[in-house]
Amino acid sequence: DIQMTQSPSSLSASVGDRVTITCRANQDISNYLAWFQQKPGKAPKSLIYAASSLQSGVPSKFSGSGSGTDFTLTISSLQPEDFATYYCQQYNSFPLTFGGGTKVEIK
Amino acid sequence: QVQLVQSGAEVKKPGASVKLLCKASGYTFTSYHMHWVRQAPGQGLEWMGIINPRGGSTTYAQKFQGRVTMTRDTSTSTVYMELSSLRSKDTAVYYCARGGSTVGILDYWGQGTLVTVSS
Repeated sequence: DIQMTQSPSSLSASVGDRVTITCRANQDISNYLAWFQQKPGKAPKSLIYAASSLQSGVPSKFSGSGSGTDFTLTISSLQPEDFATYYCQQYNSFPLTFGGGTKVEIK
Repeated sequence: QVQLVQSGAEVKKPGASVKLLCKASGYTFTSYHMHWVRQAPGQGLEWMGIINPRGGSTTYAQKFQGRVTMTRDTSTSTVYMELSSLRSKDTAVYYCARGGSTVGILDYWGQGTLVTVSS
């Protein structure tokens, strides 16, 4: 199975901050990488697929980059509605696997 | 609009089975795979498996092989996930999620079903 490691596991940031979350795969997954946002008590929401492609309706403050084993999710200017937990997920091969999550909290 | 509506919360005893449903609407049911993902309380996301509604073929995570069965009913655009031999560690929210243009892209999610396993 492909292991996905996210860092940090949590971070505190202020409204307006630029935030970057990293995700590392333990083998080459090309660009088969997705990012999700999850708020408490809610289902995950798809943000990005193919490492850098925005899902329809997702604001452009979210961006993704990377290929191979190292990936990043960036939120350009953090807003109150962005405080949530973010997960990466590889779909290079089954079983699909997720990172452990990064909780973004208000400073 | 794409909607995945899941069945309601369940409480089961250890050793029992549970069968959850996920009813799809707003798209051609047989054109997209369906995944099941679970999340234990306070934990991360865990992929369980996938079903192709067109022919019913399935792929399960090794961890659940022998305990999970995914089926579908094309007449009602519904997929089912049955998990047997339940134990307390199976207490979780179970989500269905549509596989998008590429099978592994989980683009739409159901609201989740809480399954509690307790004696």
